Amino acid sequence: SQQGEEDPQALSIQEGENATMNCSYKTSINNLQWYRQNSGRGLVHLILIRSNEREKHSGRLRVTLDTSKKSSSLLITASRAADTASYFCATYSRGSYIPTFGRGTSLIVHP
Amino acid sequence: DAEITQSPRHKITETGRQVTLACHQTWNHNNMFWYRQDLGHGLRLIHYSYGVQDTNKGEVSDGYSVSRSNTEDLPLTLESAASSQTSVYFCASSESNRLTATDTQYFGPGTRLTVL
Repeated sequence: SQQGEEDPQALSIQEGENATMNCSYKTSINNLQWYRQNSGRGLVHLILIRSNEREKHSGRLRVTLDTSKKSSSLLITASRAADTASYFCATYSRGSYIPTFGRGTSLIVHP
Repeated sequence: DAEITQSPRHKITETGRQVTLACHQTWNHNNMFWYRQDLGHGLRLIHYSYGVQDTNKGEVSDGYSVSRSNTEDLPLTLESAASSQTSVYFCASSESNRLTATDTQYFGPGTRLTVL
């Protein structure tokens, strides 16, 4: 079964709005990462958050991690049409360098 | 610039044939991975390697094999292709940072395989 599960499965918003997607996982992790996949392409790493961190920022991206709830969220502020993509969380269990990917959230940003 | 490439990008084959998908990286990463991506399943790990001559089975390894004879390449072989192996295949590489206990993967563009 998947370690990370993204929610919602699909999200459709207008340009300029914020997009929030969530990731829940089942077992203790060492770190969690978010990746983006544009249609027909490979995944691209966006941001990493360690288990002892609660929040990280990178440009218009904000990631939070709540280890007590075993969940993470990715916020994209002031979205653009170019943000249209699928977003995946990847969890790394303690002592492992093998990521487990969720099924992803498909984000569509309408211009 | 360092990169990771896959070939072919598209492949159509028949049931029962042997197929090999190539993956080549110039990052000089020790770790290499093969995933398949299917609707409703996300990314599933097939095989991975931590270095030359090292290979390990992933979650969905049945019917697949890999070999690692050098740092740059990890070819994926489907011994006898089945329709259930129709999928998009992604190769990735990474260099684990044991100091920070982190690992970031770099993905190839994918190979779309259709087994008829």
